[in-house]
Amino acid sequence: QKEVEQDPGPLSVPEGAIVSLNCTYSNSAFQYFMWYRQYSRKGPELLMYTYSSGNKEDGRFTAQVDKSSKYISLFIRDSQPSDSATYLCAMSASGGSYIPTFGRGTSLIVHP
Amino acid sequence: GAVVSQHPSRVICKSGTSVKIECRSLDFQATTMFWYRQFPKQSLMLMATSNEGSKATYEQGVEKDKFLINHASLTLSTLTVTSAHPEDSSFYICSARDLGSGYTFGSGTRLTVV
Repeated sequence: QKEVEQDPGPLSVPEGAIVSLNCTYSNSAFQYFMWYRQYSRKGPELLMYTYSSGNKEDGRFTAQVDKSSKYISLFIRDSQPSDSATYLCAMSASGGSYIPTFGRGTSLIVHP
Repeated sequence: GAVVSQHPSRVICKSGTSVKIECRSLDFQATTMFWYRQFPKQSLMLMATSNEGSKATYEQGVEKDKFLINHASLTLSTLTVTSAHPEDSSFYICSARDLGSGYTFGSGTRLTVV
């Protein structure tokens, strides 16, 4: 079992839809959770950065962490065609090394 | 926010030649930088951790004599793919950690070895 599992998709939704992207993990030591957006042939761009459990909102994006279930989510409201990209979750343990472990990414397509 | 600049964005080289990729932190100092490799529709695979002023730490299975890393200053790390072969063709991405912004990635380098 991989440390971080993420469905690669693709996930295709109409413009304006609410998108839910998810990752599960197995390492209970993970404390820091991140979501990155990666456009084709570009480096990943940090979207959200959360510590421990709970919700964090930034504009149309909401990140949720449920440590008891080892499950994290990214919600995108009012999705736009410009949101079409690959979304990677990443997580790391506190203390010691902070090098994140990445999911394989979910490809999102928002069609007009 | 923190910016990491990576060059070149794309390079095509002949088999057997060497290619150097640069990664610079533009507005912060990075004692540690990271080099990743990404295959199509796959996750980022950490290749090595680059440490300023000391030897890089390579992940298991990564040939350190093939992927030479130099981190000569607090803002620059380079990855040299030596004697490149077609199987080295991939997307290489660097990142650096800024205390305020978490991990920031460069824009990546697409290497094609012909």
